[in-house]
Amino acid sequence: AQSVTQPDIHITVSEGASLELRCNYSYGATPYLFWYVQSPGQGLQLLLKYFSGDTLVQGIKGFEAEFKRSQSSFNLRKPSVHWSDAAEYFCAVGAGGRRALTFGSGTRLQVQP
Amino acid sequence: DAGVIQSPRHEVTEMGQEVTLRCKPISGHDYLFWYRQTMMQGLELLVYFNNKAVMDDSGMPKDRFSAKMPNASFSTLKIQPSEPRDSAVYFCASSPGGETQYFGPGTRLLVL
Repeated sequence: AQSVTQPDIHITVSEGASLELRCNYSYGATPYLFWYVQSPGQGLQLLLKYFSGDTLVQGIKGFEAEFKRSQSSFNLRKPSVHWSDAAEYFCAVGAGGRRALTFGSGTRLQVQP
Repeated sequence: DAGVIQSPRHEVTEMGQEVTLRCKPISGHDYLFWYRQTMMQGLELLVYFNNKAVMDDSGMPKDRFSAKMPNASFSTLKIQPSEPRDSAVYFCASSPGGETQYFGPGTRLLVL
């Protein structure tokens, strides 16, 4: 069965600073990988996804993520964080014939002015 | 498109009462998922449908939970009887083909 680990529960960065959120997955084959963002009291919004091909994927709101098979990682990055990026970020993996996603525990991002 | 629609957005009920959560998927999406989010367990799958048929309900406590999809544009998740441990945010998501899922705003359930 697949699993997802987000090692950072809470991250604080200054506005304008760069950001990297870590995600490690466990799955025997090439998984489908996703990053979602959840603002307080809101649903989950898809930021980006990786299925195959180019290992660097671009998403909405200036986010990108890089799939590294050798490290079983799919880290999310943004070069310059905005105060509106404060939210909780979830990495998820989908695999094989089972369409449901397995989510990580989330990383809460706080942005300091 | 209006996106995935869930109702009610908030529900407060007493232990033992029946609760029905509703979901309208995005038109044309043939997969529908119900997830539950709690502080302790995070996001976990309860059940999912493909073309209205249940594909996996292994995450759903079947003694009190039931899920139905009577047509392509409507699904319900029913809890009877409800218990305080059912307090959570319940999300519905839909997908065209099953890979990329689009989530609704959630229903916040509080069972007293």
